[in-house]
Amino acid sequence: EAEVAQSPRYKITEKSQAVAFWCDPISGHATLYWYRQILGQGPELLVQFQDESVVDDSQLPKDRFSAERLKGVDSTLKIQPAELGDSAMYLCASSVWRDDEQFFGPGTRLTVL
Amino acid sequence: AQSVTQLGSHVSVSEGALVLLRCNYSSSVPPYLFWYVQYPNQGLQLLLKYTSAATLVKGINGFEAEFKKSETSFHLTKPSAHMSDAAEYFCAVGLKAAGNKLTFGGGTRVLVKP
Repeated sequence: EAEVAQSPRYKITEKSQAVAFWCDPISGHATLYWYRQILGQGPELLVQFQDESVVDDSQLPKDRFSAERLKGVDSTLKIQPAELGDSAMYLCASSVWRDDEQFFGPGTRLTVL
Repeated sequence: AQSVTQLGSHVSVSEGALVLLRCNYSSSVPPYLFWYVQYPNQGLQLLLKYTSAATLVKGINGFEAEFKKSETSFHLTKPSAHMSDAAEYFCAVGLKAAGNKLTFGGGTRVLVKP
């Protein structure tokens, strides 16, 4: 069964350092989402891609976060510099098209010290 | 704007008892509604979804939910809890017009007692 892959699964970093997360969606899925899930809360959408284009990044803190999906396949989410409040689970999801069911990866748990 | 409220951040049920998780939503247009389950340190798995067809929706693992427009609710139920149902459950609302952007509730953690 096809799955969304994410790496690393766990990341510990010190504040002010740069971190990057990688996501490989299910093959053929045109839409890719990055969510942030703070402990004890529901996921919050950070950015949505349709192929290589950003269609929604209204909740992305653009002063420190960036996301790219250069070839419309895999994607990277970067934080520079990391802050203590960035500690969270970062989830990637993909769907065939924007109206379809989203399939989630296992997430990357980030701890900022 | 859309929002989701899940009543009760923690629910404890006995094995074999009814599971009832409450979800109320707010949406300016007819919504799509979803229930997801999350096991520790894992991603979210879709349990079921409502997309304006039948108001009673059946999902995986014996779960079902009923859409009640008059009450703006989409409560999740399972007649008989199993130990494997211990997890966190999230209700979400989506708007097709917004590219299926999902807004999640805060989650309800279910504990199943033997």
